[in-house]
Formats: sequence, structure tokens, C-alpha cells
Amino acid sequence: NAGVMQNPRHLVRRRGQEARLRCSPMKGHSHVYWYRQLPEEGLKFMVYLQKENIIDESGMPKERFSAEFPKEGPSILRIQQVVRGDSAAYFCASSPGGTVNNEQFFGPGTRLTVL
Amino acid sequence: AQTVTQSQPEMSVQEAETVTLSCTYDTSENNYYLFWYKQPPSRQMILVIRQEAYKQQNATENRFSVNFQKAAKSFSLKISDSQLGDTAMYFCAITGTASKLTFGTGTRLQVTL
Repeated sequence: NAGVMQNPRHLVRRRGQEARLRCSPMKGHSHVYWYRQLPEEGLKFMVYLQKENIIDESGMPKERFSAEFPKEGPSILRIQQVVRGDSAAYFCASSPGGTVNNEQFFGPGTRLTVL
Repeated sequence: AQTVTQSQPEMSVQEAETVTLSCTYDTSENNYYLFWYKQPPSRQMILVIRQEAYKQQNATENRFSVNFQKAAKSFSLKISDSQLGDTAMYFCAITGTASKLTFGTGTRLQVTL
């Protein structure tokens, strides 16, 4: 059973470009979480999605950031018009359910560098 | 809102010795879980140990154990017989009914010869 897959592992963008980060959850998992880790900091929650639904987006910046988890295919975190402050590692985690006792399994992360 | 505080930015321990990493938290919920994650230089997040708040018995996983003091809202991690491979960032985290994880700022552990 493959783990959580994220691609690309490294992404370089120039200011103003768009960044698309993909996350394929573990088989059988229908809940996906995105976290951001700025340099030398802990992970910060961004958004929680279930298939075709956004459950909690309280950690998402109000502008330029969006996320989706379609019925088919991976979850996508999209950052429009990237700025240098968006440079960070973005981690995706998945779980089989959304209750408090469900463990979240993390992917290897995507490191975004904005030039 | 839930918060997690790790007051030790860096720790060092000699190989084969024991080290304790501190974590305090705050939550208004009764049903929650606490976690310790390890992040080696590869940056992969690895679950080390987890504790269910309603269980009084401290969790253990091989060389890793926790001291869970619910009234004090303290959740420290003890690593026994430290190994070079334990060198990593260690993050304490909490989750509740909202499912999302709230992390502390981390403790960088260096295991030396």
C-alpha cells in the first residue's frame, strides 16, 4: 500500500507565476489536510478537504490560495501570483476518516521556492 | 483554539543516554489526542508516539515514552538509549474534534558520540 504521494517534490517559480501542488492520499483515504512549514518553523494547518468538499479552510490565506479534492484524481493546492513569502514546504496528510482518533499520514512534502 | 508550546529550541544528548523533550498545550476540549512527530533532515514527518487524552496510562513505543500530565497540560517525550538516528526536529502536536493538527515550534535534537 503506497503512502501519501506528493508532486512535485521541488518547485521553483518566479514572482507572479502560479504554483500547483498535488497530493494523492493513501488508498482508501478520503480525507486530506494541507499544512505549510515556513523555514525554521512548525507546520501550520491550511485546509481540510473531503472528496469534493472543503470541510475547514480556516488556515488558508484569503487571497491567491485555493484547494480542491475532486471525485477523481489528486488533491490540488493552487497558489496564484506567488510572492517570495510563499516559499515554504507544503505537506499533505491523509486519513481514512475525519474523527479525532484517525491518524494522519504525511506525504514527503513539496518545497516551493519563489525567486 | 488549541495551542502547543515547546520551550526548548535545541537539545543535545550523548549516544546511549536519555533525554526528555518538553511540551505544554492548551485546549478547551475533553476529547483530544496528543502526538510527537519526528522530522529528520529528509523532512518527512514521522509519527513517533500518540496519547489519547482519556487514557491515564502513558504511551510507550520501544525507546520512546511520554509523561502525560493532564491537569498540568503537559506532554513530555522521553527518549531512552539515544541513537545517532534520533537526530531530528521533534514536534509536539494536538488534535481535537476539528481534526486538524496544531503543532508546536519544534525542538532540534542532536545526538552526539
